[in-house]
Parts: sequence; structure tokens; C-alpha cells
Amino acid sequence: NAGVTQTPKFQVLKTGQSMTLQCAQDMNHEYMSWYRQDPGMGLRLIHYSVGAGITDQGEVPNGYNVSRSTTEDFPLRLLSAAPSQTSVYFCASKIRGRQGTQYFGPGTRLLVL
Amino acid sequence: SQQGEEDPQALSIQEGENATMNCSYKTSINNLQWYRQNSGRGLVHLILIRSNEREKHSGRLRVTLDTSKKSSSLLITASRAADTASYFCATDGSGGYQKVTFGIGTKLQVIP
Repeated sequence: NAGVTQTPKFQVLKTGQSMTLQCAQDMNHEYMSWYRQDPGMGLRLIHYSVGAGITDQGEVPNGYNVSRSTTEDFPLRLLSAAPSQTSVYFCASKIRGRQGTQYFGPGTRLLVL
Repeated sequence: SQQGEEDPQALSIQEGENATMNCSYKTSINNLQWYRQNSGRGLVHLILIRSNEREKHSGRLRVTLDTSKKSSSLLITASRAADTASYFCATDGSGGYQKVTFGIGTKLQVIP
């Protein structure tokens, strides 16, 4: 049981490039979400999903796309990277319902030059 | 804007002392959770308190919730150097989808 996995661990991009951050969980969790963490800003919700085929925006969705074709995977796509997207990105998952604990992946550190 | 705000933003104490962190939030919640993050790592869940609970304990952790004041506190008793970390509160909103939002966090340093 690997929990929540994220790839890559670290990535450097040039402004304007696109990339996909991968997130997978093997706990059969319905709820998955993406956060970014910046110094002094805590964690901010980018997008979340309550099940396959259902996604919604969080606090800071601009510049990011998500899809949820399977329960296990929830990739985050940067369409045209900007220096403001330099951050640490965390993926999390939990069971359906309001009492579930969120399990976090180890994070992806992204640097946009 | 973020739902939760922790206070203080930074706290430095001696080993063996108690550490208290506070969290305030803005809208109705179903539950409130506390997480710990060690430097450079992901977040680890510590404790969840439901909106109809007022206090909860887990080992050296004690969490209180006051829904009338929209606030929660996390008390770590007899702190250890290994407790050095950032602590975040997170709220699971009462309406619509189960969107979980986090506060800015409290950075705790426990000095040996």
C-alpha cells in the first residue's frame, strides 16, 4: 500500500512550458485535491475532485487544469508555466464523507524560470 | 481568502513546556483537523474534531473547538524537540462538496 504518490519530486521549467504533475493513490479514495504551498501563505487549494469525472475549482485555479478519469489518478496540468507558479505542490486524498482524514503525498517542488 | 488562520504564526518554547496554537475560521464547518508538517515534508494528520464535539485528546495532544467563536486550539503537552514542525488547521465546510481548506500555519520550535 503506497498511499499517495507524486511525480516528479522536483522540476525546473522555463516560462511558457507546459507540464503535468502526476498524483496517484491506491486507497480507493473518492476525494482528491491539489494544493500549492508558498512561504507565508500556507496551503491553498487549487482544484479538487469528489469522484471520477467530477472536478471543481479551489481558491487558486487559474493557470491549472485537472481531470479525473479514474479513481486512482488526479493529474495537475500547467498549461503555460509562469514564475508565479514556482511553489511546492501537494496532492491529497480521503474517503468520501466529511469525517475522513486527508492523506498527503510527499510533494513536487516546481521552479519556473 | 483562506478559511483558517492560525495564531501565533511562530512559537518558540523550551523542551518540556506546553505549546498552544489557535485557529480561527470564517464559515460553518463539519469538522476541523490539525496537521503537522516537518520541514520539507508532506502533511501528517494529527487529530480530527467534529463540529458537535468540544474537546478531544490524543496522547499529548488536546484539541478544543468553540463553534460559537469559530475557533479551535491545539495544546501539545510536555513538548519534545521532535515536535518542532509547522502545524496547520484545516476545515471541512458544511455546504456543497467536501472542500477542505487550510490555514497559514504555526511554526513551532522546541528548544532542547
